[in-house]
Amino acid sequence: EIVMTQSPATLSVSPGERATLSCRASQSVSSNLAWYQQKPGQAPRLLIYGASTRATGTPARFSGSGSGTEFTLTISSLQSEDFAVYYCQQCNNWPLTFGPGTKVDIK
Amino acid sequence: EVQLVESGGGLVQPGRSLRVSCAASEFTFNDYAMHWVRQAPGKGLEWVSGISWNSGNIGYADSVKGRFTISRDNAKNSLYLQMNSLRAEDTAFYYCARGRIGGGFDYWGQGTLVTVSS
Repeated sequence: EIVMTQSPATLSVSPGERATLSCRASQSVSSNLAWYQQKPGQAPRLLIYGASTRATGTPARFSGSGSGTEFTLTISSLQSEDFAVYYCQQCNNWPLTFGPGTKVDIK
Repeated sequence: EVQLVESGGGLVQPGRSLRVSCAASEFTFNDYAMHWVRQAPGKGLEWVSGISWNSGNIGYADSVKGRFTISRDNAKNSLYLQMNSLRAEDTAFYYCARGRIGGGFDYWGQGTLVTVSS
């Protein structure tokens, strides 16, 4: 099983600032990585797939990068609606696995 | 718009069984793999199981292997998860999700809560 880790666990950011979230896989997943956003009481929402391709409806301020074992989600200028928990998921091998999440909260 | 609606959750005693269902609409169900993902209250996401479009490829998390069975009925646009020998640690919201061709889960239901307790 591929183990996913995310850092930091919590990121405190002021509105308008840049946020950088990291995700690491225990072995290479090529570019088969997705990012999700989840707000309280809601189902997760797909933001990025293929490590760097924005899903339909994902604002351009969200960008993904990386391949192999190291990945990054960047939010260029945080808006109020971006404060949420973000999960990465490897889509390369079953069992598919999620990281533990990074909570982005207001500084 | 694509809709996924879960049902069948509830309170069940440890060791008992429960089946949750997911009704899909507004897309060609038999074109897509489908998945179950769970989330214990206040915790992170855990992939539980997935099934390919024609049921030819099925996978499970180690935590449920041998106890849970995923299935689908393409004629009914429905996905199922049969859960046997339930444990307290299976308590969670269970979401069904559509597997996007090329990776990721692009549509999710709102979840159904399964509580395992005596």
